[in-house]
Order: sequence, then C-alpha cells, then structure tokens
Amino acid sequence: NAGVTQTPKFQVLKTGQSMTLQCAQDMNHNSMYWYRQDPGMGLRLIYYSASEGTTDKGEVPNGYNVSRLNKREFSLRLESAAPSQTSVYFCASDRGHATNEKLFFGSGTQLSVL
Amino acid sequence: GEDVEQSLFLSVREGDSSVINCTYTDSSSTYLYWYKQEPGAGLQLLTYIFSNMDMKQDQRLTVLLNKKDKHLSLRIADTQTGDSAIYFCAEPNSGGYQKVTFGTGTKLQVIP
Repeated sequence: NAGVTQTPKFQVLKTGQSMTLQCAQDMNHNSMYWYRQDPGMGLRLIYYSASEGTTDKGEVPNGYNVSRLNKREFSLRLESAAPSQTSVYFCASDRGHATNEKLFFGSGTQLSVL
Repeated sequence: GEDVEQSLFLSVREGDSSVINCTYTDSSSTYLYWYKQEPGAGLQLLTYIFSNMDMKQDQRLTVLLNKKDKHLSLRIADTQTGDSAIYFCAEPNSGGYQKVTFGTGTKLQVIP
C-alpha cells in the first residue's frame, strides 16, 4: 500500500525557473493538502483541495498554484521560483469527512532555490 | 487564529523519560494530536486525545491535557534511540475548513 507518493524527492532550481511537484494518493481520499516546512516554523498550509474539483488558499499561497487533476492527484506549481521558496514540501491527504481526520503525509520534497 | 507553541529542542538520555510540551489557543478543539516525523520522512500520527479526557495512555506514551491552561504534553517512558524525531502538536482548525494547525515541532535527541 503506497499511501501518499511525492516526486521528486530533491530538486535544485535557479531563481526564476519553474517546476511542478507531483503528489498522488491511493487511499481514495477526498481532501489533499500542500504544506511547507521551515526550521522553527512548523508546517504551514500552502493550498488545499477539500474535494475533487475544488482548491483553496491556505496560509502562505503567494508564489504557488495548484491543480487537483483528479481524485488521486494534486500538483503544486512554482511559476517563477524565488530563494524564499527554499523549503521542504509535504503533500498530505485525508478522507475529508470531518475536521478531526487523520492526515497521511508523503515523504517530502526538498527544494533549494539558488 | 490558532497558535500552537512548542519548545524547539529536547535532549534526553536513553532509558529516561521525555516530556514534550505544547500550548494551544483554540479552546473549542475537540481533538488534539501528536505527530511524529522521523529523519527524512513525512509526519505520521502518533496519538491523539479527545478534549473531554485528561489523560490517555498507550504503551510507553502518556498524553496529558490541561484544558484550563490549554496545555498538552506527551510523555515517552523509557526513551529509546528510535524515538529520536521531531514531534508536532496539532489542533484542528476552527475556521470552517478542514485542516490542522501544527506547532513548530520539538526535536527530540536521545543520547545513548
């Protein structure tokens, strides 16, 4: 059972380059999330998708876009990468039935923007 | 909005007990969570406690909740090197959409 799969695991970009982080879950979950993790700041929500066909901004959406391609897949795009976007990115999912759902996380993407 | 606070670092000797503390702000939270992040991995739910409970014990883990002070703690008995990880306290968001607010995380270092 794969759970939540993220690709790539590591990426180095130059300022201004674009890239898309991919995420897929095989648990038939309704809701999917993108977080970034920075030292001393915990996890901050970038965007989320409560259900297939919907996306909404989280706490720190600036500089990012997302696509809920289908129920399984939720991608995060950086159109013009900036050094401030150097971070570890996590995709997560849950059943989306209630506010007390257990989140399942991918193993993360370490992104460096030079 | 929610604000969840934790100390950033804790170092204990193998075999001792570890206590990781957390303060939260939303008194209406029905659940509070502890997530564990091992090196190079994503977060995994470790345990949770209902807000109508004061304590929950699960093998070596004890969760204590003080609702009056909005204080949550995680005690790990007989700490092992495999417990070295970052521990995140989290509470559900009350903002009308499904998410949790995570604390800053406490990095637990277990010294052999």
